[in-house]
Amino acid sequence: QKEVEQDPGPLSVPEGAIVSLNCTYSNSAFQYFMWYRQYSRKGPELLMYTYSSGNKEDGRFTAQVDKSSKYISLFIRDSQPSDSATYLCAMSSSITNFGNEKLTFGTGTRLTIIP
Amino acid sequence: EAQVTQNPRYLITVTGKKLTVTCSQNMNHEYMSWYRQDPGLGLRQIYYSMNVEVTDKGDVPEGYKVSRKEKRNFPLILESPSPNQTSLYFCASSFGQGLSNEKLFFGSGTQLSVL
Repeated sequence: QKEVEQDPGPLSVPEGAIVSLNCTYSNSAFQYFMWYRQYSRKGPELLMYTYSSGNKEDGRFTAQVDKSSKYISLFIRDSQPSDSATYLCAMSSSITNFGNEKLTFGTGTRLTIIP
Repeated sequence: EAQVTQNPRYLITVTGKKLTVTCSQNMNHEYMSWYRQDPGLGLRQIYYSMNVEVTDKGDVPEGYKVSRKEKRNFPLILESPSPNQTSLYFCASSFGQGLSNEKLFFGSGTQLSVL
């Protein structure tokens, strides 16, 4: 079983819809949760970063963490064609990378926003 | 412009022919890392470096070498490439003081095909 599971999609939604992207994880030590966006033929770029449980909002994007369920979500409101990309969740047990406390990534969900 | 630069973007080679993928960052980051991205497996860490002359293995180091002689450069070396090393490779860097998981900056990727 993978430490982080993410539905690969693809997911297609009409412009303006609310998008929900999700990851589940098995390692209860994870405390830091990130969402990366990866456009085609580009490297991933950090979109959202949260610590422990709760919600974080940044413009049209909301990241949600439920540690009790080991479940994280990214919501995109008023989705735009420019949001079409692959979204990767990532998580870590520590903010530092001393030892082996590295980021563990999900496989990514490919999202297409249809104009 | 702050960036991580990888070269080449595309590389086709044959089994056993040594190759080097270069990575350079202009942000004075202490932490640098190499990942490979494969369908269904996501991003997996190959090697990372906390600083000059300090490197360590990630999840999938077999068949790869790295060096960190200068802060800005972190080349990935495949001494004897094999077809199972066909993949999309990303170099990444982040701020120092071990805060490697705060924000990773990725290069644009190197698509390697080993025939």
